[in-house]
Amino acid sequence: RKEVEQDPGPFNVPEGATVAFNCTYSNSASQSFFWYRQDCRKEPKLLMSVYSSGNEDGRFTAQLNRASQYISLLIRDSKLSDSATYLCVVNGGGNTPLVFGKGTRLSVIA
Amino acid sequence: GAVVSQHPSRVICKSGTSVKIECRSLDFQATTMFWYRQFPKQSLMLMATSNEGSKATYEQGVEKDKFLINHASLTLSTLTVTSAHPEDSSFYICSAPSSGEQFFGPGTRLTVL
Repeated sequence: RKEVEQDPGPFNVPEGATVAFNCTYSNSASQSFFWYRQDCRKEPKLLMSVYSSGNEDGRFTAQLNRASQYISLLIRDSKLSDSATYLCVVNGGGNTPLVFGKGTRLSVIA
Repeated sequence: GAVVSQHPSRVICKSGTSVKIECRSLDFQATTMFWYRQFPKQSLMLMATSNEGSKATYEQGVEKDKFLINHASLTLSTLTVTSAHPEDSSFYICSAPSSGEQFFGPGTRLTVL
C-alpha cells in the first residue's frame, strides 16, 4: 500500500466550479499534513497546511480526519490560474522528509 | 519565507559523465537537506537525506555510490550523479526545513543523452 494515495486525475472543470480532492495516508504516526501545488516543470509550493480542526484560506478549505487518515482539499469558485497539480503531503514532524502523493492534476477551463 | 537555491537549473550531458547539483539555503542554516527525484507524471520520491557533518542516509533502492551526497556546510549540500545514464534523466529537487516548514529549491532538470 502506498504511503499517500490521492484521487486519480485529471479533473477538468469549468471556471467557477467547486472541486474536491481526497487523500489517504497509511502512517498513523504522521504528524503534519499539507497540500502543495506544483505547476508544470516547477518545484512544489506550499498551498496550505492542514489542521485537525479544518482550516480555510480564501477559496481553499482543507480538512483532516485523523481517525480515518483522510485529508481533503476543497476549491471554490475555480479560476483558470488554479490549473496545476495538487500534491497531498504528510510527514512525521520535525526535520523528517515529506512524503508526497502522486498528485492530482486540475485543469480549469474557460 | 526562507529561500533555497539550486544550481544548475538545467543540464544536458552525455552518457557516462558525472553531474554535480548544488543546493543552498540562502538565508538560514540547514543541518539537514533532502534530495528528491521526480520522473514525468510521477510524484516526488525521496532519494536521500543529507546531514551536515555526517554521512547521508539513502532510501531503499537508491545507490549511494552512484548518487554521491556531500553536505559541506550548514548552507550547502551537493548531489553528484556519477556515470549518468539516460534512465537518470529526471527532475531533481532539494528541500531544507526551517521553522517547521520545508522550503524547496527550484529544481534541476537533468537530461542524459
